[in-house]
Amino acid sequence: GNSVTQMEGPVTLSEEAFLTINCTYTATGYPSLFWYVQYPGEGLQLLLKATKADDKGSNKGFEATYRKETTSFHLEKGSVQVSDSAVYFCALSQGSGGGADGLTFGKGTHLIIQP
Amino acid sequence: EAQVTQNPRYLITVTGKKLTVTCSQNMNHEYMSWYRQDPGLGLRQIYYSMNVEVTDKGDVPEGYKVSRKEKRNFPLILESPSPNQTSLYFCASRYRLASIGANEQFFGPGTRLTVL
Repeated sequence: GNSVTQMEGPVTLSEEAFLTINCTYTATGYPSLFWYVQYPGEGLQLLLKATKADDKGSNKGFEATYRKETTSFHLEKGSVQVSDSAVYFCALSQGSGGGADGLTFGKGTHLIIQP
Repeated sequence: EAQVTQNPRYLITVTGKKLTVTCSQNMNHEYMSWYRQDPGLGLRQIYYSMNVEVTDKGDVPEGYKVSRKEKRNFPLILESPSPNQTSLYFCASRYRLASIGANEQFFGPGTRLTVL
């Protein structure tokens, strides 16, 4: 079956530091890949996505590149802010539109940014 | 505003007392789903629905029921809640499209359930 593995943290960084959160996946075929963010007390929001190999998703200064050869979708940001403190989830979907096609999530990475 | 709403946001109940968590979306999405979020386990799918009157089990369906009588609503029912169902629950929806990439799910704000 499908699975997603990501570093769980917490990851603590100083403001303006460089961020990398690793995500690797196991899936058949060509899944779509997502990063969701959950701010304290809120639901999940889509941060970025990529639907095919070598695609780069980007949003709010965050980037992730779909690497099929390494089955990875690492999240990066060049300079984090305190407001980026949240839990980040890597997820995949088979993208067929049919069947269950639910999201398979990693366990989430708690990111803490200190001023 | 396009959104998924859930009610209640917080609920404390006792073992065995039936409860329903409502979920509603205003985006005309065919697909709706329920997840539970537990520390160290991430989010796991409970049930999903591809359209009205079409529901199916996800990864962790035991102890839950759902119904889909209307396109916009997808309530989660716990007939006899137990303490191991204490969790944070999320409802989500999306369009049912065949094209890859059109499968972004929109999430509700969550319902924190405690079963004593």
